[in-house]
Amino acid sequence: DSGVTQTPKHLITATGQRVTLRCSPRSGDLSVYWYQQSLDQGLQFLIQYYNGEERAKGNILERFSAQQFPDLHSELNLSSLELGDSALYFCASSVKTGEAFFGQGTRLTVV
Amino acid sequence: DAKTTQPTSMDCAEGRAANLPCNHSTISGNEYVYWYRQIHSQGPQYIIHGLKNNETNEMASLIITEDRKSSTLILPHATLRDTAVYYCIVRVRDSSYKLIFGSGTRLLVRP
Repeated sequence: DSGVTQTPKHLITATGQRVTLRCSPRSGDLSVYWYQQSLDQGLQFLIQYYNGEERAKGNILERFSAQQFPDLHSELNLSSLELGDSALYFCASSVKTGEAFFGQGTRLTVV
Repeated sequence: DAKTTQPTSMDCAEGRAANLPCNHSTISGNEYVYWYRQIHSQGPQYIIHGLKNNETNEMASLIITEDRKSSTLILPHATLRDTAVYYCIVRVRDSSYKLIFGSGTRLLVRP
């Protein structure tokens, strides 16, 4: 158990809909990272927050957004969903320069 | 960002040492080498990291060449549960310290 909690574990939704994925970081970790992994694809870095502020942006679509709340949990919002958005979405957390620990992911299926 | 090159796949016999190489010839002087693994579709698992000295923990050993242009991850006694995709990552030393994953090495441990 990495200490990073992601909910829900599975999500099935229709095209055009909007969903919110939630991540609770390890206690004391200020950084949260979001990654997308499509079927048989690598892990794509989406976005990072540090202590509530956006710190880095990767290949994140404009339809996607994220935020980190004062209690340090983070949410990834995916809107106008397309079939191609079906993927595993991972959250990771770390202290600023320490190793990052990953949650078990949310499997999103868009039908 | 410093890029890494890893073999696409490797295999080894159960109980033997697994040596996974990684080239990172453009690594900068203060960039760390990190290793993660991903078992099936689980969240990536941190293994070890190092700067220039060799490192060892309960999971593995990391050998970094003197010029830091390559490294080897050693699993001393591989088990079937070590079958996974192993990622060698040079951690970006900007304000985010994000992890950029490549394609990794798919390690198959044979009975």
